[in-house]
Amino acid sequence: AQSVTQLDSQVPVFEEAPVELRCNYSSSVSVYLFWYVQYPNQGLQLLLKYLSGSTLVKGINGFEAEFNKSQTSFHLRKPSVHISDTAEYFCAVSEDFGNEKLTFGTGTRLTIIP
Amino acid sequence: DTEVTQTPKHLVMGMTNKKSLKCEQHMGHRAMYWYKQKAKKPPELMFVYSYEKLSINESVPSRFSPECPNSSLLNLHLHALQPEDSALYLCASSPRTGGDYEQYFGPGTRLTVT
Repeated sequence: AQSVTQLDSQVPVFEEAPVELRCNYSSSVSVYLFWYVQYPNQGLQLLLKYLSGSTLVKGINGFEAEFNKSQTSFHLRKPSVHISDTAEYFCAVSEDFGNEKLTFGTGTRLTIIP
Repeated sequence: DTEVTQTPKHLVMGMTNKKSLKCEQHMGHRAMYWYKQKAKKPPELMFVYSYEKLSINESVPSRFSPECPNSSLLNLHLHALQPEDSALYLCASSPRTGGDYEQYFGPGTRLTVT
């Protein structure tokens, strides 16, 4: 069975500073990996996804993530954050044999300090 | 049209009421999902419809009844709910073709059971 761990429940960062949100996964087969963002009182929006190919994935709003198979990680990074990045961030995994289930991590609340 | 729509945005219902949530997408996606999200928690999968057939039921109580009348529409019928069923209900859809397993989420229906 697949699982996702987001070790940091809250991450405060000063505006214009870099940030890394950590995500580790567990699966016995190959996986697809996703980062979603949820702004207050809204649904989830896809930031980026890893399906195959290059391990460095670029997404929307200046975010990127690197897939590391040996460390089973998919950490999300942004070199300079903005106030508007304040939101909840969810890492999610789906096993690549056509599994319809998306398993979410517990989420990381990113708070940008002016 | 690249979005998933959900109606209503907010719903307040008593424990003896019957109501329905509606979800619609016109992206030609063949999988549709219902999730329940409690405050400060990740979404929890409830049901998956694949090619208009129920493929996954995550042991959801029978007071929640899903329906997929056609490939664009997904309903969730609610009856005799409990206060602990108050949550944000999210709908999502996915192409399920061409190796694309990304899920596109709607804005959600905020349900309060009194």
